Amino acid sequence: AQKITQTQPGMFVQEKEAVTLDCTYDTSDQSYGLFWYKQPSSGEMIFLIYQGSYDEQNATEGRYSLNFQKARKSANLVISASQLGDSAMYFCAMREGPSGNQFYFGTGTSLTVIP
Amino acid sequence: GAVVSQHPSRVICKSGTSVKIECRSLDFQATTMFWYRQFPKQSLMLMATSNEGSKATYEQGVEKDKFLINHASLTLSTLTVTSAHPEDSSFYICSARDGATYTDTQYFGPGTRLTVL
Repeated sequence: AQKITQTQPGMFVQEKEAVTLDCTYDTSDQSYGLFWYKQPSSGEMIFLIYQGSYDEQNATEGRYSLNFQKARKSANLVISASQLGDSAMYFCAMREGPSGNQFYFGTGTSLTVIP
Repeated sequence: GAVVSQHPSRVICKSGTSVKIECRSLDFQATTMFWYRQFPKQSLMLMATSNEGSKATYEQGVEKDKFLINHASLTLSTLTVTSAHPEDSSFYICSARDGATYTDTQYFGPGTRLTVL
């Protein structure tokens, strides 16, 4: 089974609108971490936001928020007030394991912001 | 935020030559660094996990004699692609794990685009 599933290969959003990028995960660990990264066309992977499995509140970082639904094993990224510069690939990732070295990436979602 | 540099950003080499890529954590110590390979429009594929002062752990199917990894210090890991061939052409990206934070976030370098002629 896939550890991280991103079912939206491509998404479009109007500038200034909000968009939700889906991510579901599979783990039997109690302690794990969930991450979102942005990869623009330049190739760099930019860390956006983190959610710990024990965090009771949804993580927020500026225009990014993570809709964490533990029972459903979903960790969707919400981008509010989309900007043209948000056009990029977005990867959901999960860290599990006691060493923290087991890191799994989803297949990514390509987001295009339309002016 | 944590910064990871990677050098060179782009390299073109002839078939049969070796190429060294450096990955540095600039403002934190990274006991663990990771090397990934990414094909166009695909996700990252983990090649190996590099621990400071010990041998790297390679993922299944990755030739350790071809992709030499050295993690000599807490801020530097190198990947050497030995006797490169055109099929080694790819985007290579490193990350460094900031173990000092409870999130254990991996911070990525800007990547190296390797083209083997």
